[in-house]
Amino acid sequence: DQQVKQNSPSLSVQEGRISILNCDYTNSMFDYFLWYKKYPAEGPTFLISISSIKDKNEDGRFTVFLNKSAKHLSLHIVPSQPGDSAVYFCAALGTSGSRLTFGEGTQLTVNP
Amino acid sequence: KAGVTQTPRYLIKTRGQQVTLSCSPISGHRSVSWYQQTPGQGLQFLFEYFSETQRNKGNFPGRFSGRQFSNSRSEMNVSTLELGDSALYLCASSRTGTAEETQYFGPGTRLLVL
Repeated sequence: DQQVKQNSPSLSVQEGRISILNCDYTNSMFDYFLWYKKYPAEGPTFLISISSIKDKNEDGRFTVFLNKSAKHLSLHIVPSQPGDSAVYFCAALGTSGSRLTFGEGTQLTVNP
Repeated sequence: KAGVTQTPRYLIKTRGQQVTLSCSPISGHRSVSWYQQTPGQGLQFLFEYFSETQRNKGNFPGRFSGRQFSNSRSEMNVSTLELGDSALYLCASSRTGTAEETQYFGPGTRLLVL
């Protein structure tokens, strides 16, 4: 039972354009959401997070949007840079403390 | 400040053997969580330790176990290895393991079971 889903395994965008990565969840007990970025041979690196009491959180080029009614969140990267090329994981936290539930990941490729 | 370290980085074992992986958290972090990453299942939570006690456990068979030492270093053990245990094993640490606290991941241990 995949409670967090990233339906796009890959995404390719041009440098300077916007990258939009999507994530859906099914468990209404999730109340905190995070995005992690992962390069090959490295562990995931925390990128940005959002609490369920907000609908938007922004940090530099990265913005996360949360639509609770649709159980959907998205990560926007503007402008995209070649160094952003990595696998992006959406993750959710519920009432069970620090237990992260991850999506399957989306491979983002930013072409120069 | 040193990051989360994991040893070994790569490991090859055969079916039926057992393996022990080690994780050293960031200094001052007392919560250590373990995750398994496979191509088909993504990142899945194994268990979390805090102050030498298992505080949370995922849906993995009893062959997967762990422990945490007084210095917060953690080990996970997999007994009677199966081919499907081939995966990247990641550990993550945080100060107290409370929700919304950023977890920092190590580079992982890549286990191959032949």
